Amino acid sequence: DVKVTQSSRYLVKRTGEKVFLECVQDMDHENMFWYRQDPGLGLRLIYFSYDVKMKEKGDIPEGYSVSREKKERFSLILESASTNQTSMYLCASRAGQGFEKLFFGSGTQLSVL
Amino acid sequence: GESVGLHLPTLSVQEGDNSIINCAYSNSASDYFIWYKQESGKGPQFIIDIRSNMDKRQGQRVTVLLNKTVKHLSLQIAATQPGDSAVYFCAEEDLRAGNNRKLIWGLGTSLAVNP
Repeated sequence: DVKVTQSSRYLVKRTGEKVFLECVQDMDHENMFWYRQDPGLGLRLIYFSYDVKMKEKGDIPEGYSVSREKKERFSLILESASTNQTSMYLCASRAGQGFEKLFFGSGTQLSVL
Repeated sequence: GESVGLHLPTLSVQEGDNSIINCAYSNSASDYFIWYKQESGKGPQFIIDIRSNMDKRQGQRVTVLLNKTVKHLSLQIAATQPGDSAVYFCAEEDLRAGNNRKLIWGLGTSLAVNP
């Protein structure tokens, strides 16, 4: 089975801190994604990457950046965390082109105080 | 029981009944549709998908129906069990967008199964 692993299940950070959320997948998938999930707003795409060192903005990239130096790892960075970035963050991956489903990690619940 | 995912976000059914979760999608160019289940505290899990050249696809206890004329997608769960209690998301995608393709997600429908 495909495994998408997010490094932390819960994180508590202070306003202004730099925050790294790490995601690793073990199936050699080309595409990786970062979503945030808030009650009533569903899943919103922050950034995605369709290849190593490639990145594309999603629907809500402001306040975030990403890094994909290796195929299996996709990092989400909050340069200066703010309280409105308190949310559930979900990483996902899938193989390249074609009719391919997403595989999700278990999520990281980030609280910014 | 039935629900329209975007307008009635909660569906409550009796154990053993059939459930129908509905989804109105937005892009007539979408050619791939997918349903996910998300249990409390977990990431979404794939249930079933369907391509636009099909009207119906069946899995284990689940069936997805696609009506392209009215841009409507539904998920049917047979003999609903307590373990089916979760939030269900539909999503659509236009694969012709190439590397810029991305799923467009519905807001979800919460399914509660009463014993």
